[in-house]
Amino acid sequence: DTAVSQTPKYLVTQMGNDKSIKCEQNLGHDTMYWYKQDSKKFLKIMFSYNNKELIINETVPNRFSPKSPDKAHLNLHINSLELGDSAVYFCASSARGSYEAFFGQGTRLTVV
Amino acid sequence: AQTVTQSQPEMSVQEAETVTLSCTYDTSESDYYLFWYKQPPSRQMILVIRQEAYKQQNATENRFSVNFQKAAKSFSLKISDSQLGDAAMYFCAYWLSGGGADGLTFGKGTHLIIQP
Repeated sequence: DTAVSQTPKYLVTQMGNDKSIKCEQNLGHDTMYWYKQDSKKFLKIMFSYNNKELIINETVPNRFSPKSPDKAHLNLHINSLELGDSAVYFCASSARGSYEAFFGQGTRLTVV
Repeated sequence: AQTVTQSQPEMSVQEAETVTLSCTYDTSESDYYLFWYKQPPSRQMILVIRQEAYKQQNATENRFSVNFQKAAKSFSLKISDSQLGDAAMYFCAYWLSGGGADGLTFGKGTHLIIQP
């Protein structure tokens, strides 16, 4: 049973479209994250979220928005997709105070 | 802001030999965690080893060990008896204690090649 799962694994879409990536964790963790890995493999945090607090990396465009329907899910919505949004997006989760992140398998987004 | 630097974009080692991957970091904090993650071609992020800054003893996990030099802000990973399955991108990462919501700060990675 996968601990952190993301769907879809691959997403190809046209510029200007709006898309979502779903993330679910079954670990009972209280904090979830989205990371972006660019074409040079550099990983950078985009958001962290628990039931009390959303922290947004200041470099993330406001076209990106996390939405959490419940504690086990943190979906990533992207509006008006641009070519530069092409990347691998990772969801992760952690338990409070554990300092151990569990990652999903990543979603490769290609904007054409 | 914390930064993590991996100065070796790529390293190559013969199978069964030992290789050391370098990592330095910059922080003004005293309590934090350091990590090495492995990312094989499958893209999955796999935790290799973790070090708590308040512990002087270097962490080890089977063939993987670290050399943690807190004063020098250095955190290198040694892989002994390298195996073909060790071939991957390796990322050094930092997590501030008490900053759970801040998440991980990653270095740019080192691509490790294992020569058969």
